[in-house]
Amino acid sequence: NAGVTQTPKFQVLKTGQSMTLQCAQDMNHNSMYWYRQDPGMGLRLIYYSASEGTTDKGEVPNGYNVSRLNKREFSLRLESAAPSQTSVYFCASSEAAADVTYEQYFGPGTRLTVT
Amino acid sequence: GNSVTQMEGPVTLSEEAFLTINCTYTATGYPSLFWYVQYPGEGLQLLLKATKADDKGSNKGFEATYRKETTSFHLEKGSVQVSDSAVYFCALSAYYGNNRLAFGKGNQVVVIP
Repeated sequence: NAGVTQTPKFQVLKTGQSMTLQCAQDMNHNSMYWYRQDPGMGLRLIYYSASEGTTDKGEVPNGYNVSRLNKREFSLRLESAAPSQTSVYFCASSEAAADVTYEQYFGPGTRLTVT
Repeated sequence: GNSVTQMEGPVTLSEEAFLTINCTYTATGYPSLFWYVQYPGEGLQLLLKATKADDKGSNKGFEATYRKETTSFHLEKGSVQVSDSAVYFCALSAYYGNNRLAFGKGNQVVVIP
């Protein structure tokens, strides 16, 4: 049981390049999330997918797109990377229900540097 | 809106000292509250949680009580170890139906032998 996996672990991009961060979970969770972590800022939600087939914007969606490929996989795409997108990116997943709050499980993160 | 405020700055203390990290929140409705821990080079993992007022969450010697009257969820541990060195995040969930979390900025805790 791998939990939440993310690829790649590290990436360096030049300004204007594009890339996709991959995330997969094997816990049969309905909901998946993408966060970025910056020093002194905590974690900020970029996009989330409450269930397969749906995606919604979080606090900081500008410059990103997402795809919920199937129940297991949720990818994050940077179409034209900017230095302000230098960050550590975390994917998470959880169960979901209307009246219950579930724990989120996090992947190990992708450290992205944009030069 | 929903938000979490953690005390400013890193926390440095000696082994076996008492640890407190303050967390206050603003939320509509009745949020669930969490503490997550991030060890160096890893993702976050749940440390403890509380889902209603006066609940106490506990795990690994850490405790936090959900205080609705003071909108607080302070984290405490009576005797820290070097292995407790990590970043600690307070979070709340008040977005019914989609399990979204709002995080505080985190506190770096360094325990010196």
